[in-house]
Amino acid sequence: NAGVTQTPKFQVLKTGQSMTLQCAQDMNHNSMYWYRQDPGMGLRLIYYSASEGTTDKGEVPNGYNVSRLNKREFSLRLESAAPSQTSVYFCASSVRPGQGSGLSSPLHFGNGTRLTVT
Amino acid sequence: GENVEQHPSTLSVQEGDSAVIKCTYSDSASNYFPWYKQELGKRPQLIIDIRSNVGEKKDQRIAVTLNKTAKHFSLHITETQPEDSAVYFCAASLSGGYNKLIFGAGTRLAVHP
Repeated sequence: NAGVTQTPKFQVLKTGQSMTLQCAQDMNHNSMYWYRQDPGMGLRLIYYSASEGTTDKGEVPNGYNVSRLNKREFSLRLESAAPSQTSVYFCASSVRPGQGSGLSSPLHFGNGTRLTVT
Repeated sequence: GENVEQHPSTLSVQEGDSAVIKCTYSDSASNYFPWYKQELGKRPQLIIDIRSNVGEKKDQRIAVTLNKTAKHFSLHITETQPEDSAVYFCAASLSGGYNKLIFGAGTRLAVHP
């Protein structure tokens, strides 16, 4: 099993360009997430998808859109890249947490995409 | 908004010593507290987690303690080894959110031989 696979690994964009970051998981997980990691700020949630067909905003959704293409794939799109979006982006997946119990479940991360916007 | 504070930001120890990293959370409804280890250029990986109905959990050289009253939890690594060198992140679940975690800023641990 590959786990969570992200493409590309590196990308350089100019301000205003658009791009889509791809993520796929082969662990049969229901839930998927996009995080960004900036120096000294830990990981911040951009968007998440609790299950196929649903998406919701996280802490820092502005400037991003997502698509849950099917159970395996969850993509992140930057419509008009800005230098403030220079970051390392991590996709993650998890089993669906216990319904009604409020229990959380561990995240499994991909290897990340290092994005630079000039 | 809710936050998680993590201390120290950097920690340097000699091989064989113990290391302790502390986190404080603000959401009193948080009930899940994972710790992730991230080696340079790699993905974060879960090393241990604890739920709010448990005060302490151990896994070989790693242990986590939770004080719900103080909204404080800590990671303890005993008999440190050079391969423990990495950045460690604590996190806490957010109430009202679906498996949403808020992360601390990270602690860079260096273990010197």
